[in-house]
Amino acid sequence: DGGITQSPKYLFRKEGQNVTLSCEQNLNHDAMYWYRQDPGQGLRLIYYSQIVNDFQKGDIAEGYSVSREKKESFPLTVTSAQKNPTAFYLCASSIETRMHNEQFFGPGTRLTVL
Amino acid sequence: AQTVTQSQPEMSVQEAETVTLSCTYDTSENNYYLFWYKQPPSRQMILVIRQEAYKQQNATENRFSVNFQKAAKSFSLKISDSQLGDTAMYFCAFMTYTGTASKLTFGTGTRLQVTL
Repeated sequence: DGGITQSPKYLFRKEGQNVTLSCEQNLNHDAMYWYRQDPGQGLRLIYYSQIVNDFQKGDIAEGYSVSREKKESFPLTVTSAQKNPTAFYLCASSIETRMHNEQFFGPGTRLTVL
Repeated sequence: AQTVTQSQPEMSVQEAETVTLSCTYDTSENNYYLFWYKQPPSRQMILVIRQEAYKQQNATENRFSVNFQKAAKSFSLKISDSQLGDTAMYFCAFMTYTGTASKLTFGTGTRLQVTL
């Protein structure tokens, strides 16, 4: 089955710690994205990547970092510089980043800072 | 900057009835795409329907259809013959292309409850 997997489903972090969220896809998609979802708000774009070894900041990149060493993988690190990291994080992918290409979403990771 | 507004935080509809969710957007772009996504309690985002701005004909997908009014910048979703499985958050989203990448901007969502 082709799809996007995110792990873990739930993640707890102490304040001041960095944490990495995993996102893997076997759809052979070139483009991958990270979104953040807060209660009462829509999804907001954190980072996106069009090809391996390239990525761009989205609307709310501060306090986050990413890497794209493999086509299938796009991990997101939430650093201690992110002031309010508790949220639901969604990873997505598309064939490429051009218009009209549907973005397919993973099941998400709920991050809670204790 | 593009904005997407969903003015109905919550809606309720009885099974088998029809419901319309509203969405308005603001943009100076002429070429763009509009989407409705569904997020059920599992929180998996699922594409419901897509509309190309250059097409005048409204998109339909089985029980789901849109009323796209480009001049009014309105993009409402109509769900016919509502089913219990339609209970979910519904997000309207707007896609533009910057020349190097596409960007999705989401509304704040409408929570739809389908009741017996």
